[in-house]
Amino acid sequence: GQQVMQIPQYQHVQEGEDFTTYCNSSTTLSNIQWYKQRPGGHPVFLIQLVKSGEVKKQKRLTFQFGEAKKNSSLHITATQTTDVGTYFCAGPYYNQGGKLIFGQGTELSVKP
Amino acid sequence: GAGVSQTPSNKVTEKGKYVELRCDPISGHTALYWYRQSLGQGPEFLIYFQGTGAADDSGLPNDRFFAVRPEGSVSTLKIQRTERGDSAVYLCASRQTGGEGYTFGSGTRLTVV
Repeated sequence: GQQVMQIPQYQHVQEGEDFTTYCNSSTTLSNIQWYKQRPGGHPVFLIQLVKSGEVKKQKRLTFQFGEAKKNSSLHITATQTTDVGTYFCAGPYYNQGGKLIFGQGTELSVKP
Repeated sequence: GAGVSQTPSNKVTEKGKYVELRCDPISGHTALYWYRQSLGQGPEFLIYFQGTGAADDSGLPNDRFFAVRPEGSVSTLKIQRTERGDSAVYLCASRQTGGEGYTFGSGTRLTVV
């Protein structure tokens, strides 16, 4: 079945260092979404990418969607302690309009 | 309401008991989703409603799980004969048709002892 995989599972960085998480789908996606979950919290929607090769920025966060629309990345420049949490990518199940399939997430910890 | 509301926030139940988990989505959001999240894992799909009907219930693990949304707004996830393996955080999310992204509730942490 369709799978969405993320690496790494964990990333520990010093405050100020950069961070990247990678997402790969077993199938071509119509879009990819990214969510952030703070410790003890619930997933919060960050962004959706739709176009092949699309790049979007939110302050220190840069999101990319691969040319083949099967992979994506999230890059954080100069991490801060407020970036701590788990970052999930998610894609629509076989591009149907309904459910999302989530990756297992990348947990980011930032040492001040 | 302003966000997706889930009640209770925590539920401890004995093995074999019946539980109901409630989700009140954002007003006007026609799509409602139930997910389950275990520690260290991503959310796992359970069921999706479009309006009152279950558009996709393929994620329900077995027939002990059932969900309803009778008036197209509030939804209830029902679990019969709970087992220890049902322990997880149950997340509800809603989305406006054509909108980007889900809005999740804070979840119900279910513990079966």
